[in-house]
Amino acid sequence: GESVGLHLPTLSVQEGDNSIINCAYSNSASDYFIWYKQESGKGPQFIIDIRSNMDKRQGQRVTVLLNKTVKHLSLQIAATQPGDSAVYFCAENKGSNYKLTFGKGTLLTVNP
Amino acid sequence: NAGVTQTPKFRILKIGQSMTLQCTQDMNHNYMYWYRQDPGMGLKLIYYSVGAGITDKGEVPNGYNVSRSTTEDFPLRLELAAPSQTSVYFCASSYSVELGTQYFGPGTRLLVL
Repeated sequence: GESVGLHLPTLSVQEGDNSIINCAYSNSASDYFIWYKQESGKGPQFIIDIRSNMDKRQGQRVTVLLNKTVKHLSLQIAATQPGDSAVYFCAENKGSNYKLTFGKGTLLTVNP
Repeated sequence: NAGVTQTPKFRILKIGQSMTLQCTQDMNHNYMYWYRQDPGMGLKLIYYSVGAGITDKGEVPNGYNVSRSTTEDFPLRLELAAPSQTSVYFCASSYSVELGTQYFGPGTRLLVL
């Protein structure tokens, strides 16, 4: 069935290092993917998205990579800062319906 | 703009009680959504609306009802609260069908005992 999962539930990095958060998905029909950041006690915040016709998309300090062959999605954060500490979710969408399927989340902790 | 606002922030209900979670947005967005988030999990879509007067079921609609009489408001109703409805509820709105344009509210934490 459909599922979006994460390889690691927690990730701890040093300030200034690059962070990589991974996500696996099983629905090969999914054509749109989103990464969200959720700080404690707040709602999810959009970070970056990518469509299935792309392999890579860059934003400000963030890059999303999509490998459709192995159904793998990753979020790279450059020069990680303490303010990046949060739970990161990937989500997938198939077709034109409004349903987003979320993964469980990865807790990123940035050590000063 | 206040964005998406939700009330209350926290509520404790007894089994069988009912309540309405309020959601209001001041961005004139047509699309609005209700999600629930269980501890350590991602969000699951309960209901959504593509405009005033139009609502539809999401992934987990059982036990909930919604209405959309205005563009701004999208209340979520729990008629007979059950412990399984203990969760954090997020409302979101967007200006287009693109899901990446969703703005989320701060959430309502609900505990059913």
